[in-house]
Amino acid sequence: SQKIEQNSEALNIQEGKTATLTCNYTNYSPAYLQWYRQDPGRGPVFLLLIRENEKEKRKERLKVTFDTTLKQSLFHITASQPADSATYLCALAEAAGNKLTFGGGTRVLVKP
Amino acid sequence: DAGVIQSPRHEVTEMGQEVTLRCKPISGHDYLFWYRQTMMRGLELLIYFNNNVPIDDSGMPEDRFSAKMPNASFSTLKIQPSEPRDSAVYFCASTLKGQPKDYGYTFGSGTRLTVV
Repeated sequence: SQKIEQNSEALNIQEGKTATLTCNYTNYSPAYLQWYRQDPGRGPVFLLLIRENEKEKRKERLKVTFDTTLKQSLFHITASQPADSATYLCALAEAAGNKLTFGGGTRVLVKP
Repeated sequence: DAGVIQSPRHEVTEMGQEVTLRCKPISGHDYLFWYRQTMMRGLELLIYFNNNVPIDDSGMPEDRFSAKMPNASFSTLKIQPSEPRDSAVYFCASTLKGQPKDYGYTFGSGTRLTVV
């Protein structure tokens, strides 16, 4: 069966450190993968997209890698700040359609 | 732009009642998606539209759920009759015309539905 797995345990990290989140998938052939941020009581907000033929993407303090052999994406927040505390969701779409399927999300708590 | 607008923000209803959730996508976006989010199942795609036409409704849980998009600026998701297990946050999202893959989806703030 198809699965998108993210660590369900919250990630507690000290301010200034790098947070690294993992997204693993099974039985998908994604054309691209996206990362979203979700704050309590709000809808997800788009952060980054990475295509199947790209290894790495950066945006300010965010970095995403995509390894189609390992079927894994890593999401890094460098120099983390308390304002980065939120739930981060990965989502992927296959080339066949426009459907975006989400993982369960990982909650990040950055402590000052 | 005001973003994707959903109403109501909160809805509490009794089991067996009809519930209608509303969504106004961003102007110019021609893809619209309805998702449901629960602690147990996460964010699930229910149905999506392209140019007001339903493309994939395979995520709609059962016949009690229906969705319409009568024009480019309005969509509804209806549950009739509602059941306690329908309690969830329902999100509407839209994306840019022609290239939904490249820019991500813009989500509304959601409707928190509680069926008692």
